[in-house]
Amino acid sequence: DIQMTQSPSSLSASVGDRVTITCRASQGISNYLAWYQQKPGKVPKLLIYAASTLQSGVPSRFSGSGSGTDFTLTISSLQPEDVATYYCQKYNTATFTFGPGTIVDVK
Amino acid sequence: EVQLVESGGGLVQPGGSLRLSCAASGFTFSSYAMSWVRQAPGKGLEWVSTISSGGSGTYYADSVKGRFTISRDNSKNTLDLQMNSLGAEDTAVYYCAKSLMAGSPWRAFDFWGQGTMVTVSS
Repeated sequence: DIQMTQSPSSLSASVGDRVTITCRASQGISNYLAWYQQKPGKVPKLLIYAASTLQSGVPSRFSGSGSGTDFTLTISSLQPEDVATYYCQKYNTATFTFGPGTIVDVK
Repeated sequence: EVQLVESGGGLVQPGGSLRLSCAASGFTFSSYAMSWVRQAPGKGLEWVSTISSGGSGTYYADSVKGRFTISRDNSKNTLDLQMNSLGAEDTAVYYCAKSLMAGSPWRAFDFWGQGTMVTVSS
């Protein structure tokens, strides 16, 4: 089975900082990669699909890139409301594995 | 407006069974694959199972294969998850989720229900 890893596991940054989260698949998954945001006590929200396509209604400060095994989620200017756990997910075959998550906090 | 409402959660003894349901509205249910995702207390998201739009294709995580069965009734716009041989490791909030696009099940999940809590304990 394809395993998904994320780094870092947590980070703390200042408002306005550029934040990058990395997701790695143990085998190539083309661009079948999604990113979700889950705020404390809330339901997960789809941010990006197909590795780089912004879901409707998601602020443009969020962007995704990558293909194959290495992917990144970037927040261009961190906002207080971005405090959340971010998960990547692969969905290219009969499994939909999530990464372990990255906790993002604001200093 | 898309709505997904889960029900059926509760307290169950180890080795017991439980059936979860998800009532869907606001979209053409029969056109979309549907999934169950769970989240143990304080832990990350774990995909559980997915069913194709017509119901002929079902997919399971290794952790639940042989114990859980996903099904759907497109005439009633409902998604179910039959859970048998439950153990403490199955304690979690269970979410139903809708595939982003119609057709193929290999899609991200764009709408999630609020979840239903399953607690396995004696």
